[in-house]
Amino acid sequence: GAVVSQHPSRVICKSGTSVKIECRSLDFQATTMFWYRQFPKKSLMLMATSNEGSKATYEQGVEKDKFLINHASLTLSTLTVTSAHPEDSSFYICSATLAHLPTDTQYFGPGTRLTVL
Amino acid sequence: EDKVVQSPLSLVVHEGDTVTLNCSYEVTNFRSLLWYKQEKKAPTFLFMLTSSGIEKKSGRLSSILDKKELFSILNITATQTGDSAIYLCAVVWSNYQLIWGAGTKLIIKP
Repeated sequence: GAVVSQHPSRVICKSGTSVKIECRSLDFQATTMFWYRQFPKKSLMLMATSNEGSKATYEQGVEKDKFLINHASLTLSTLTVTSAHPEDSSFYICSATLAHLPTDTQYFGPGTRLTVL
Repeated sequence: EDKVVQSPLSLVVHEGDTVTLNCSYEVTNFRSLLWYKQEKKAPTFLFMLTSSGIEKKSGRLSSILDKKELFSILNITATQTGDSAIYLCAVVWSNYQLIWGAGTKLIIKP
């Protein structure tokens, strides 16, 4: 089946630094990748939709200058949290799909836990 | 290899029917199991299960976990067309990472 990986699985950084999280589709080419943030009560919030070779589409309320998304190839998307602050500490999950809509089948990554000190 | 398997992959029923969705897992260092409903922009959280045999209920939806046989079921009674969605199951590792099932696509016909 389709496998999506994330790296790193866990990262701890100091406030003010930038952190890059990678999302890779290992055995398929993903037309679209999505980035989510999981909150303590397990709800998922869609942050942005990323298509290869084009600018990401950010959801309302998500700062695009703070959460930089690059989708350089059909198998790799990166999320960079710039000038991270403690409130950015969270669990970030990516997913990939062969289609274009969030309502289509998505393959989810294992998540990355970010802790900002 | 750790894995989560959902069955069936797709299911078509008529409104008013009861459905049971299955999620079996082979995961070391199990922490909890999550159920989500995916229909719009982000999967909607339904349940988190950590203990065997304790049923969680929310309206027409209920779920239970069996840690001995390594599976969970999600029941939906008196289904409605609004229940049509992809239902996802994910197991949380002890390090909080997730292993996701492929989902069950549920279609409710009027």
